Amino acid sequence: GAGVSQSPSNKVTEKGKDVELRCDPISGHTALYWYRQSLGQGLEFLIYFQGNSAPDKSGLPSDRFSAERTGGSVSTLTIQRTQQEDSAVYLCASSLSGAAGETQYFGPGTRLLVL
Amino acid sequence: EDQVTQSPEALRLQEGESSSLNCSYTVSGLRGLFWYRQDPGKGPEFLFTLYSAGEEKEKERLKATLTKKESFLHITAPKPEDSATYLCAGHGTASKLTFGTGTRLQVTL
Repeated sequence: GAGVSQSPSNKVTEKGKDVELRCDPISGHTALYWYRQSLGQGLEFLIYFQGNSAPDKSGLPSDRFSAERTGGSVSTLTIQRTQQEDSAVYLCASSLSGAAGETQYFGPGTRLLVL
Repeated sequence: EDQVTQSPEALRLQEGESSSLNCSYTVSGLRGLFWYRQDPGKGPEFLFTLYSAGEEKEKERLKATLTKKESFLHITAPKPEDSATYLCAGHGTASKLTFGTGTRLQVTL
């Protein structure tokens, strides 16, 4: 595709429910990243995929968070038993190969609100 | 631990009033210093990458510069459409970008 796409664009859920967020990277990009942007805070790294593998999961805040990538393309970020502190904008980015200093291109984000 | 600090948090300029945004960084093994623009409700839009001290890049009214400790985003004769949040990020030895909290720029007529 022309750019990184994410769905849904907005998600409202109740505390305790599970949510799935989807990311479609730029076609041909092997590296995919998830970040979280909370109100008044900088973007916080969550996880990095190279192909279908996740060599860096260091940013996942708890075991309620998981992510997978299939076919070297689409990625899904799953949050189980959502809490109010999970409310944030979840941003996905992709880059061509994951090489050092390579530009990461961002999608529009999914705005998650946990009531 | 890598750290990126941006200042000021917010900046209000009149159209045509030039200024600079600051990004101080402590990033181990810096591989690139990135500037992004973010409009409300949208994802960050890539502007520049700087790789080594002394490097400069320009795009329209924006010019980014890099030293060993800081980067500056200079805005010359800004227009209202330049209003946005400008984000600075460092890419070090880890795979991730480390972001600052951004500078919210408002340009008024």
